[in-house]
Amino acid sequence: TQLLEQSPQFLSIQEGENLTVYCNSSSVFSSLQWYRQEPGEGPVLLVTVVTGGEVKKLKRLTFQFGDARKDSSLHITAAQPGDTGLYLCAGVLNTNAGKSTFGDGTTLTVKP
Amino acid sequence: DSGVTQTPKHLITATGQRVTLRCSPRSGDLSVYWYQQSLDQGLQFLIQYYNGEERAKGNILERFSAQQFPDLHSELNLSSLELGDSALYFCASSVSGLDTGELFFGEGSRLTVL
Repeated sequence: TQLLEQSPQFLSIQEGENLTVYCNSSSVFSSLQWYRQEPGEGPVLLVTVVTGGEVKKLKRLTFQFGDARKDSSLHITAAQPGDTGLYLCAGVLNTNAGKSTFGDGTTLTVKP
Repeated sequence: DSGVTQTPKHLITATGQRVTLRCSPRSGDLSVYWYQQSLDQGLQFLIQYYNGEERAKGNILERFSAQQFPDLHSELNLSSLELGDSALYFCASSVSGLDTGELFFGEGSRLTVL
């Protein structure tokens, strides 16, 4: 059983469209991260959220942490081809030694 | 550039062989993590070292071992390789002494076992 469930698994949209991807769990996390990974490269950290209900914005990307700290969403406004990649959420549980558990990711393709 | 260096970038070997993957963390980072990424299992945590000591263990096979040296670089040793060990192996490091979950990944080592 995957601790972090990401949806959708695949998403293909046209340039300029908006989209939201989700990261859900039944567990409570002390912090949650979003990463973006391009083919042949390592994941790159985009944001960390730590407070329930927290909203962070990074240019056209908006990240939200659920009130109960069990889920998160990533919203992209006016997607561009450069946003194409694998979006991974990762969480640190309260009780472990800080190791991050990753979801399987959402593969986003933005067509020009 | 994350500042984390992994070598080799690509490695092709045969079943039954042994390989060593090397990682240099970002300057000042004391924690090193190893992850395995395969198509069917995503990013799986293998092991974490902090300042030379093993700190956390994940789904690491007994055929695999790791260590962190006094200069903080780390090596992941994979032995008696099987076809299913073919994957991307990532090293990540984190800000010294903090378990924030904020990881900085290297570019990975792609292992192909034939």
